Formats: sequence, C-alpha cells, structure tokens
Amino acid sequence: NAGVTQTPKFQVLKTGQSMTLQCAQDMNHEYMSWYRQDPGMGLRLIHYSVGAGITDQGEVPNGYNVSRSTTEDFPLRLLSAAPSQTSVYFCASSYSIGGARDEKLFFGSGTQLSVL
Amino acid sequence: SQQGEEDPQALSIQEGENATMNCSYKTSINNLQWYRQNSGRGLVHLILIRSNEREKHSGRLRVTLDTSKKSSSLLITASRAADTASYFCATDGQGAQKLVFGQGTRLTINP
Repeated sequence: NAGVTQTPKFQVLKTGQSMTLQCAQDMNHEYMSWYRQDPGMGLRLIHYSVGAGITDQGEVPNGYNVSRSTTEDFPLRLLSAAPSQTSVYFCASSYSIGGARDEKLFFGSGTQLSVL
Repeated sequence: SQQGEEDPQALSIQEGENATMNCSYKTSINNLQWYRQNSGRGLVHLILIRSNEREKHSGRLRVTLDTSKKSSSLLITASRAADTASYFCATDGQGAQKLVFGQGTRLTINP
C-alpha cells in the first residue's frame, strides 16, 4: 500500500513552459485535492475532486488545470509557468468528505517546483 | 483567506516539557483537525475534533475546542526530540471539501 504518490519530487521550469504534476493514490479514496505551500502562507487549496469526472476550484486555481478520469489519478497541469508558481505542491486524498466517516487527509511527499 | 491562525508561530522548549499551540478561526465549523509536518515531508494527520466535542486525547496529544471563542489548542505532553516539526490546524468552515490550513507553528524540541 503506497498511499499517495507524487512525481516528480523536484522540477525546474522556465517561465512559459508547461508541465504536469502527477498524483496517484491506491486507497480507493473518492476525494483528492492539490495544495501549494509557500513560506509563511500555510497551505492553500488549488483544486479538488470528489470523484472521477468531478473537479472544482479552490482558493488559488488560476494558472492550473486538473482532470479526474480515474479514481486513482489526479494530475495538476501548469499551463504556462510563472515565477509566482514557485512553491511546494502537495496532493492529498481522503475516504470521504462531508460524510460521517473520518475525513482526515492523507498527503503525498510533495513536489518542489522552481520557475525561473 | 486563512481560516485558521496558529499561535505562536514558533516555539522552542526543552525535551520533556509540554508544548501548547493555539489555533483561532473565523467562521463556524463542523470539525477541526491538527496535522504535523516534518521538514521536507508531507503533512500527517494527528487528530480530528468535531464541533460537539470539547476535548479529545490521543496518546500524548490533547486537543481542546471552544466553539464560543472559535479556538482550539493542541497540547503535546512530555515532548521528545522526534516531536520537532511544524503543526497545522485545518478547518472546514468554507465547506467540507475545502479544508483551510493555518500558517502553522514551528516546534523545536531541544535535547
């Protein structure tokens, strides 16, 4: 049971380049989300999904796209990278959200992204 | 917008002492969670407390919740060097699907 797996762990991009951050979970979780973590800012929600085919925006969605074609995968796409997107990105998943079950999030180990 | 605000931002104590961190939030919640993050790693869930609970224990952790003051505290008793980490509270005041994290308390345990 690998949990939540993020790839790559590190990435350097040039301004204007695009890339996809991968996230996969093997726990059959319905809920998945992406956060970015910046110094002194805590974690901010980018996008989330409550199931395959369903996605929605979080607090800071601009410049990012997501899709959820399967329960296991939730990739995050940077359309045209900007220096302001330099951050550490975390993917998280949960059994369920808003129900009676435990709503704790399981986090991946993060992707450190630098945009030059 | 930050729903949860942790206090203090940084805390340094001696091994064996107790550590207390506080979290304040702005809107009504259904539950509040605490997470730990070791340097360079992802967050790990510690404990969840629901709005109808006032106190919850898990091992050396004790969490309290005061919904009238919109605040929570995390107490770590008999601290160990391995407790050195950042601690975050997370609330669902903006909806269960949109957990909002505070800025965190950086805890250092000195041997």
